[in-house]
Amino acid sequence: GENVEQHPSTLSVQEGDSAVIKCTYSDSASNYFPWYKQELGKGPQLIIDIRSNVGEKKDQRIAVTLNKTAKHFSLHITETQPEDSAVYFCAADPMEYGNKLVFGAGTILRVKS
Amino acid sequence: GAVVSQHPSRVICKSGTSVKIECRSLDFQATTMFWYRQFPKQSLMLMATSNEGSKATYEQGVEKDKFLINHASLTLSTLTVTSAHPEDSSFYICSASPRSDQPQHFGDGTRLSIL
Repeated sequence: GENVEQHPSTLSVQEGDSAVIKCTYSDSASNYFPWYKQELGKGPQLIIDIRSNVGEKKDQRIAVTLNKTAKHFSLHITETQPEDSAVYFCAADPMEYGNKLVFGAGTILRVKS
Repeated sequence: GAVVSQHPSRVICKSGTSVKIECRSLDFQATTMFWYRQFPKQSLMLMATSNEGSKATYEQGVEKDKFLINHASLTLSTLTVTSAHPEDSSFYICSASPRSDQPQHFGDGTRLSIL
């Protein structure tokens, strides 16, 4: 089955700097890759997603890149702010279209002001 | 946007009690909902797929008689943890999507603590 690895497990950046979180997946059939942000005591919130027919997608300070050949995708957050501090999860969908997601282990992002 | 609501947000109960958790899609219908379990500082693990009008599909290693799922309507799925024990203490989260080609939206989770 699908296996998703996520790095780093923790990431500390200074406010205003960029943050990059990387994930690799194993199932070449996976075609959908969402990123979720989870704050303490809350459920995950979708922040951006990408499908396999696209190499890059951007939404204001957040961008995701996908390399299907290498089977890895990355989350890029620019101009980080303290409110970006949270746990970020990448996921892959081996069944396509946002069903039965397989999650990475998560990255704790701390933005220091 | 699509909103998924879970209730209750927190449950504390004695060992041996059965606990029911509700997951509702507030502004859309969902023929399929998903139940996840999350231990502290860990990732989300899919437990089961809830299918409206039919039996749930459980992931390997998840006891279907322990975690009863009912998806009786297009906006409500329930997870009942039967005869709960301390090892069942965890954060349970559901998700749903308006359509199969749209992202999954998660509820805010239920923190279950068994004493």
